[in-house]
Amino acid sequence: EIVLTQSPATLSLSPGERATLSCRASQSVSSYLAWYQQKPGQAPRLLIYDASNRATGIPARFSGSGSGTDFTLTISSLEPEDFAVYYCHQRSNWMYTFGQGTRLEIK
Amino acid sequence: QLQLQESGPGLVKPSETLSLTCTVSGASISSTSYYWGWIRQPPGKGLEWIGSIYYSGSTYYNPSLKSRVTISVDTSKNQFSLELSSVTAADTAVYYCARRDWQLVPWFDPWGQGTLVTVSS
Repeated sequence: EIVLTQSPATLSLSPGERATLSCRASQSVSSYLAWYQQKPGQAPRLLIYDASNRATGIPARFSGSGSGTDFTLTISSLEPEDFAVYYCHQRSNWMYTFGQGTRLEIK
Repeated sequence: QLQLQESGPGLVKPSETLSLTCTVSGASISSTSYYWGWIRQPPGKGLEWIGSIYYSGSTYYNPSLKSRVTISVDTSKNQFSLELSSVTAADTAVYYCARRDWQLVPWFDPWGQGTLVTVSS
């Protein structure tokens, strides 16, 4: 099983600041990595797929990068609605796993 | 617009079988482009993929749950279902169903709103 480790566990920032979230895979997943945003009481929403492609309707301030084992989600300038939990997710060899999540909170 | 809705008992007794159904609207569950999946989230914790199914009935499961999981599809009702046997308190979670469009964007999107299942006597 491929383990995804996200860092930091919690990130405290202010609106307008830049957020950088990391996800490291225990072995290469090529570009088969996605990022999801989850707000309290809601289902996860797909933000980024195949490491760097924005899903439909996702604002341009969200961007993803990386390949192999190291990936980054960047939010260029935080809006109030961006404070949430973010999960990375990989699909490899018909087995899917998620990271433990990064909580992005208002400072 | 594709929508998914989970349904089933919110309370299940230990050692019994958890049964949930996901009803799909706005798309055909028989489409050759889609896989359908179940994911769960214990309260306050992260996400765990349970398993996925194709309209033909082909399935693949999380190895950690495989011995207790059955996912099936009913194309006549545009639904797919989850059964998890021999449940314990550790199976208490919000259970989500989701679509995976393997041809265009092969990731879970969209998701249902989720349904909380509590395992307790």
